[in-house]
Parts: sequence; structure tokens; C-alpha cells
Amino acid sequence: GAVVSQHPSWVICKSGTSVKIECRSLDFQATTMFWYRQFPKQSLMLMATSNEGSKATYEQGVEKDKFLINHASLTLSTLTVTSAHPEDSSFYICSVKRANYGYTFGSGTRLTVV
Amino acid sequence: GIQVEQSPPDLILQEGANSTLRCNFSDSVNNLQWFHQNPWGQLINLFYIPSGTKQNGRLSATTVATERYSLLYISSSQTTDSGVYFCAVRPNQAGTALIFGKGTTLSVSS
Repeated sequence: GAVVSQHPSWVICKSGTSVKIECRSLDFQATTMFWYRQFPKQSLMLMATSNEGSKATYEQGVEKDKFLINHASLTLSTLTVTSAHPEDSSFYICSVKRANYGYTFGSGTRLTVV
Repeated sequence: GIQVEQSPPDLILQEGANSTLRCNFSDSVNNLQWFHQNPWGQLINLFYIPSGTKQNGRLSATTVATERYSLLYISSSQTTDSGVYFCAVRPNQAGTALIFGKGTTLSVSS
């Protein structure tokens, strides 16, 4: 499958600041990437689909102005959590799909907002 | 949207025991994967199995797409098998992303 690198692995930020998370497809050009969020002891919930060169598609209930997604190249998608608050503390994880291999996930980013 | 139900939600085993995890889904799918999430959150892909049967060491999986279920078998369980097992599907009709079940939390004790 594809190799996906996610950075940072963990981040602590102050309430009201913004945090950027990067997702890189290292060996595969991904026109589409996916962003998920996972709260403690819960499943992964799809937040948005990131499309290279166009606007992201957000799932119902996800604020697009708060979770800014940029997919400027075939190997990089970024998720920026703007004006973060403690309720945004969560595990964020990205994914790419490669034909015949299924979906591969990054190692995730644990965000803590204090 | 599609419903993905996993059972059991929790499973406690003694080392060496066998187990079967089940995933039911409510609509037709063109992709199904089983993942193991380790304590650090990393999702490890176990099987890409939209249909049929596959085996990898002590693990095997079977998907019967026409009956909308998949099974994950773990034989001779080890403490390192502990963690959360997720089933995830891609529906035929909607979107391109994987939709996850709620997972089965497995605890294997020595």
C-alpha cells in the first residue's frame, strides 16, 4: 500500500491559537486524501475529503471555517484547526487510497488544547 | 448512510485462545478492511478483503459480500494482539472514504 507520513505526532497548544497538521503521501500521488477525528474510546469519524487543486468536501456537522483543509499538491494535504478550543482536543488521522491496495493511514496527531 | 456494526464490543481472552470478530454492514460495499489500532493510535492494516478469504499467519478473514458480513479470526492469541479491531467499508453508492464500525476491544492476558 501507500506510505503516509503525518506530522506532528502530538501537539499542545493554547486555547485560541491555530494548529497545522501535515499529511504526506511519500510514494504515491494522491488526488484525494481523507481526514478523520477520533475521540477517546470512540471510532474514527470522517471529517472531510481533501481534493487536490479544489475545495475540500466536509461531512455534515464539521465546520469548514474552523477546520481548514488545503491540498495544494499531489503529495501533501494540510489540516489547520483555527482558534482551537479544549473541545477540539482529539486524535486526527489522515488517509489515502491506492487502487488494489485499499486505504492506508498516517500515524495520527494527538492534539491537546489547554 | 451505511451502518457498520461490530460484535462483540469487548472481548477478554486468555493467551492461546481463539476468537472470532464479526462485522455486519447494511448496504453493498466495494471495499472492506480490517485494522488493528495499537495503544499509540496507529492503524495497522490487517486485511483488504472486499470478498473471499485471506490468511496471514495466525489471522484470517472472510467476507461474504452478498450476505453483508465479514469475520476476523484470531488463533492462538497473544498479549500483543490486545487493542481495538476496526472493520471499515466503502459503500458502493456514496462517497469514496472508508466508514468505520465502532470496533471490538480485545484484551489478552497471560
